[in-house]
Amino acid sequence: NAGVTQTPKFRVLKTGQSMTLLCAQDMNHEYMYWYRQDPGMGLRLIHYSVGEGTTAKGEVPDGYNVSRLKKQNFLLGLESAAPSQTSVYFCASSYHMTSGSIDTQYFGPGTRLTVL
Amino acid sequence: AQTVTQSQPEMSVQEAETVTLSCTYDTSENNYYLFWYKQPPSRQMILVIRQEAYKQQNATENRFSVNFQKAAKSFSLKISDSQLGDTAMYFCAFMKHGGTGTSYGKLTFGQGTILTVHP
Repeated sequence: NAGVTQTPKFRVLKTGQSMTLLCAQDMNHEYMYWYRQDPGMGLRLIHYSVGEGTTAKGEVPDGYNVSRLKKQNFLLGLESAAPSQTSVYFCASSYHMTSGSIDTQYFGPGTRLTVL
Repeated sequence: AQTVTQSQPEMSVQEAETVTLSCTYDTSENNYYLFWYKQPPSRQMILVIRQEAYKQQNATENRFSVNFQKAAKSFSLKISDSQLGDTAMYFCAFMKHGGTGTSYGKLTFGQGTILTVHP
């Protein structure tokens, strides 16, 4: 049981380049999330998904796109990277309990992205 | 919208002593969850402890306990018998309790407190 994994762990891009970050979870969780972490600001939600084939915007969605074609995978795309997107990106997942409440979020190890 | 505030950017404690990290939050919700996450230098986010707002009893997990004051909207973390491995950034986080649809389990984080445990 690997939990939540992220690929890659580190990446350096030039301004204008594109890339995709992959998140995978093997816990059969319905909900998945992408956060970014910047110094002094904690984690902020970029996009999230409440199930396969569904995505929605979070707090800071501009400049990012996401897709959830399979329940276990959640992809975060940067079409044209900008220096402001230099950050550490975390993926998380959680189980949606039948009671309507949502279980604890489990995080991946993070991806450090630098945009020059 | 909810906000979470951690007013202590940095804290330090001697090994084996006790330290308390502060967290306050602002919400109009009545049902919610509060969390403390630990982020060591490895960068991994690790759940430390969780509190349901409807429970009056404070949550405890081994050396970690919380002081949850719902009326004051305060949620502090106490670490007893501090160990070198407790050195990390600690984040307080809020999540609304809800049904389906828009209640997607969004976590709102505080800015974090860097805790250093000295030998």
